[in-house]
Amino acid sequence: DAKTTQPPSMDCAEGRAANLPCNHSTISGNEYVYWYRQIHSQGPQYIIHGLKNNETNEMASLIITEDRKSSTLILPHATLRDTAVYYCIVRVVGIGGSQGNLIFGKGTKLSVKP
Amino acid sequence: GAGVSQSPSNKVTEKGKDVELRCDPISGHTALYWYRQSLGQGLEFLIYFQGNSAPDKSGLPSDRFSAERTGGSVSTLTIQRTQQEDSAVYLCASSPYFRAVLSSGANVLTFGAGSRLTVL
Repeated sequence: DAKTTQPPSMDCAEGRAANLPCNHSTISGNEYVYWYRQIHSQGPQYIIHGLKNNETNEMASLIITEDRKSSTLILPHATLRDTAVYYCIVRVVGIGGSQGNLIFGKGTKLSVKP
Repeated sequence: GAGVSQSPSNKVTEKGKDVELRCDPISGHTALYWYRQSLGQGLEFLIYFQGNSAPDKSGLPSDRFSAERTGGSVSTLTIQRTQQEDSAVYLCASSPYFRAVLSSGANVLTFGAGSRLTVL
């Protein structure tokens, strides 16, 4: 699976949008982009995933560049409870793809401040 | 159950003792993963089970670590002759069989709350 690069930390003011970038310049055509987050002392939680189209759900939006070499997770109105480590992961899925281990990098520690 | 259940939530043991950690995955999830997370560190993959296939053990750090999955459901991670460096939170996750969600890529992992192991 392709590697990802994320900034180690970011701050965001409460109520503002949090934009978390991720570079995955070696991504393959059959690799999806996944985002998880880990709130202190809890297991990681799935947020959103996408292949090439932008995606939105109740938690966040995922913007993937046209060349798919980078993506941005957007939390539209960050709250204090969004303070967590956010992981960007790329992974092959589907028949013939590896559903083996999911590699977590160091992620971005997002601190939402009042 | 509704989520991934792990037990015990906390375990304190003495160096050299064996420990067993248990994971109950979400019903119907055929893929099961074990990770560990040392204090302040990221998640380290340990082992992965998928249905009846041979498990991917490539992340196990030493032969003191082993895991089994009985009946395709409950899994037990065993650490023999524990060392202080084994102290960590051990996280289990499960996901549905990928063929069922092939077109959407939505074979996302659901994690348990973890088992915190402290080796004195």
